[in-house]
Amino acid sequence: GAVVSQHPSWVICKSGTSVKIECRSLDFQATTMFWYRQFPKQSLMLMATSNEGSKATYEQGVEKDKFLINHASLTLSTLTVTSAHPEDSSFYICSAKTGKRTEAFFGQGTRLTVV
Amino acid sequence: AQTVTQSQPEMSVQEAETVTLSCTYDTSESDYYLFWYKQPPSRQMILVIRQEAYKQQNATENRFSVNFQKAAKSFSLKISDSQLGDAAMYFCAHTGNQFYFGTGTSLTVIP
Repeated sequence: GAVVSQHPSWVICKSGTSVKIECRSLDFQATTMFWYRQFPKQSLMLMATSNEGSKATYEQGVEKDKFLINHASLTLSTLTVTSAHPEDSSFYICSAKTGKRTEAFFGQGTRLTVV
Repeated sequence: AQTVTQSQPEMSVQEAETVTLSCTYDTSESDYYLFWYKQPPSRQMILVIRQEAYKQQNATENRFSVNFQKAAKSFSLKISDSQLGDAAMYFCAHTGNQFYFGTGTSLTVIP
């Protein structure tokens, strides 16, 4: 149980375009979802925390207008990278929790390359 | 501020031996959870072990165990009888309202 599916697993887009990444909890209701960015051989940097039905809380230094997060239902959160640039190329990972104090379950990650 | 620190960027262990990975954290919350996650080359995050802060007893999960020192805000992971499949990046994580990760420790297992 507790499967989180992230799609797509990799995407290449042209500079200036937008790309959407989906994160779905397949067998549980995710009250909270997290979005991370990970550079090669580095840790996961928390970008934002989203609770179903409310606006995402962004970490300091993360541009909310560039990284749009929508958590419209208890099983789906989306991250849209708007007007993507090569420096946005990275590995993006989502995770989901069912309650305030439980472990998070992770998606497979999305490798974004902006050309 | 909530921070998680792993002071060992890289560690190595001989197969079948024991290794301990260090983690310290800082939090203003009184109720929280601590975790160790493993990230193999596939980059899929895998939960290794969890510890509730209100529990004094150290968590164990087969060959994995923790040494949780709440007053010192220390949470180390011990891997016994290391196997080749244990080679990965290991991240210590802390959760209260958010979910923060440490900088990671790259573990190499030597055959």
